[in-house]
Amino acid sequence: SQQGEEDPQALSIQEGENATMNCSYKTSINNLQWYRQNSGRGLVHLILIRSNEREKHSGRLRVTLDTSKKSSSLLITASRAADTASYFCATPNQAGTALIFGKGTTLSVSS
Amino acid sequence: EPEVTQTPSHQVTQMGQEVILRCVPISNHLYFYWYRQILGQKVEFLVSFYNNEISEKSEIFDDQFSVERPDGSNFTLKIRSTKLEDSAMYFCASSEAFATGNTEAFFGQGTRLTVV
Repeated sequence: SQQGEEDPQALSIQEGENATMNCSYKTSINNLQWYRQNSGRGLVHLILIRSNEREKHSGRLRVTLDTSKKSSSLLITASRAADTASYFCATPNQAGTALIFGKGTTLSVSS
Repeated sequence: EPEVTQTPSHQVTQMGQEVILRCVPISNHLYFYWYRQILGQKVEFLVSFYNNEISEKSEIFDDQFSVERPDGSNFTLKIRSTKLEDSAMYFCASSEAFATGNTEAFFGQGTRLTVV
């Protein structure tokens, strides 16, 4: 299965702290994507990292990709209560015709 | 900003009834998808669609499911005879290229289907 698996399943932090979520996947990919989902809402794309990239930044987000370990991490710096959501990594399926999502990490940021 | 639109936002149906979930993808996108998410669980891939045909479907997408692009703007998911276990949030998504094309997918806000 191409499915990514996030770790931890749930994370609770205080505002201002950093949040790190990890994703592992099983086979070769050409990109890995992170999405956010607020409770009961649709998924919103956060960042895409290509297989030839090791690190990418977008605002308070930092994503790393280690293709040798088949893993990625999402770091949210200086978290805010509004960052409370579920975060999913997604990778292309074998045929490249769809994104397959992991189980997600539920992040709770308290003020 | 362009967005994917799904209707209805919530549908309640009797077991055994047919339902059609509707989606309007982003206008210049050519690749369309349906996903579902049972409450509190992961987002599961159902089907991808390109050039008026199914590109890939998962094990979940059995004979009870079908998709159609009836005109130039709509993309529908039909469930012929709903079961209780079909209760879930259904998400439509679209993209400019397939996943290996290094493009993001844009998701609608979902249709919550409740089968009673």
